[in-house]
Amino acid sequence: GAVVSQHPSRVICKSGTSVKIECRSLDFQATTMFWYRQFPKKSLMLMATSNEGSKATYEQGVEKDKFLINHASLTLSTLTVTSAHPEDSSFYICSASGGGDYEQYFGPGTRLTVT
Amino acid sequence: GQNIDQPTEMTATEGAIVQINCTYQTSGFNGLFWYQQHAGEAPTFLSYNVLDGLEEKGRFSSFLSRSKGYSYLLLKELQMKDSASYLCADVNQAGTALIFGKGTTLSVSS
Repeated sequence: GAVVSQHPSRVICKSGTSVKIECRSLDFQATTMFWYRQFPKKSLMLMATSNEGSKATYEQGVEKDKFLINHASLTLSTLTVTSAHPEDSSFYICSASGGGDYEQYFGPGTRLTVT
Repeated sequence: GQNIDQPTEMTATEGAIVQINCTYQTSGFNGLFWYQQHAGEAPTFLSYNVLDGLEEKGRFSSFLSRSKGYSYLLLKELQMKDSASYLCADVNQAGTALIFGKGTTLSVSS
């Protein structure tokens, strides 16, 4: 149980375009979903926390107009990187929590490359 | 505030035992997590400690001392596949998200 999927697993896009990444909880209802980014050989950096049906809470330094997060249902959250630039190239990982405890279940990640 | 500290890199040989330490400073404590992450993959859950003491789970054990703000992950009978990054994480002050340390990259050689 507690499986989280992400789509796509890899994406290459041109500078200036927007990219949407989906995160789904497959066998449980995720009251809270989290988005992280990770640079090579660096740790996970929390970008934002989203609760179903409400606006996401962004961490300090994360531009909410650039990284749009939608958590429209208890099984789906999306992250849209708008007007992507090469410096946005990174590994983006989502995780989900069922709300009963603090444990998070991670998706497999999305490798974004902006050319 | 939160300040999680763990060594950057460690090396060990197959069959050995290795201990990865983690210190943290939090205003309010809601437990400490250990995750394993292989390169290019998502983290996988290893352990969660909220009470003092050692919790053993197969070859992996995790220890917590709340008074010292200290935890360690103990890996026994090391295997090559244990080469990975080990992330220590605690819950943020709001109790809403995990905050990760920088991770310890463990390299196991034969």
